[in-house]
Amino acid sequence: QKEVEQDPGPLSVPEGAIVSLNCTYSNSAFQYFMWYRQYSRKGPELLMYTYSSGNKEDGRFTAQVDKSSKYISLFIRDSQPSDSATYLCAIVGGDKLIFGTGTRLQVFP
Amino acid sequence: SQTIHQWPATLVQPVGSPLSLECTVEGTSNPNLYWYRQAAGRGLQLLFYSVGIGQISSEVPQNLSASRPQDRQFILSSKKLLLSDSGFYLCAWTARDRGHYEQYFGPGTRLTVT
Repeated sequence: QKEVEQDPGPLSVPEGAIVSLNCTYSNSAFQYFMWYRQYSRKGPELLMYTYSSGNKEDGRFTAQVDKSSKYISLFIRDSQPSDSATYLCAIVGGDKLIFGTGTRLQVFP
Repeated sequence: SQTIHQWPATLVQPVGSPLSLECTVEGTSNPNLYWYRQAAGRGLQLLFYSVGIGQISSEVPQNLSASRPQDRQFILSSKKLLLSDSGFYLCAWTARDRGHYEQYFGPGTRLTVT
């Protein structure tokens, strides 16, 4: 079983939709969770990070952690074409970050 | 503010040729530094990380090596490239007091081995 699993998509939604991106992880000891956004042919950009369980909101983005289910989510409200990118979850596992393979999101006008 | 540079941006090299990719960070001291490779559909693979000058940890045994000759400089090298070395190489840094959290990435080098 992979330590972090993420649906690769692609996920295609109309502008203004609410987007839900998800990852599952295997080790219940993981505590720090991050979301990165990567535009085509660019380096990943840190969007948000959360510690332990609960929600964290930043503008149109909300990160949610459910440790009981070992499930993390990123919600994007009022999605825009500029949100079209690949979204990677990342978890601090010991002495390194463990990344999901990324979900490709396309928001069409 | 902190800035991370990588060069070159793109590179096409023949099989068997050497490789040197450079990464430098500005605006911080004593960063942790990382090299990743991203292959299509396979996510980010950690290759090396460094917590200080001359201190390199290798995650994946292969024909690549890394060096950190200065505090804010990280170099990825190979003596002989393989076709399988093609990919998008990313350098990242974190502040020393942040452990391995909150990694910030550079713009990347796209390497094609022909």
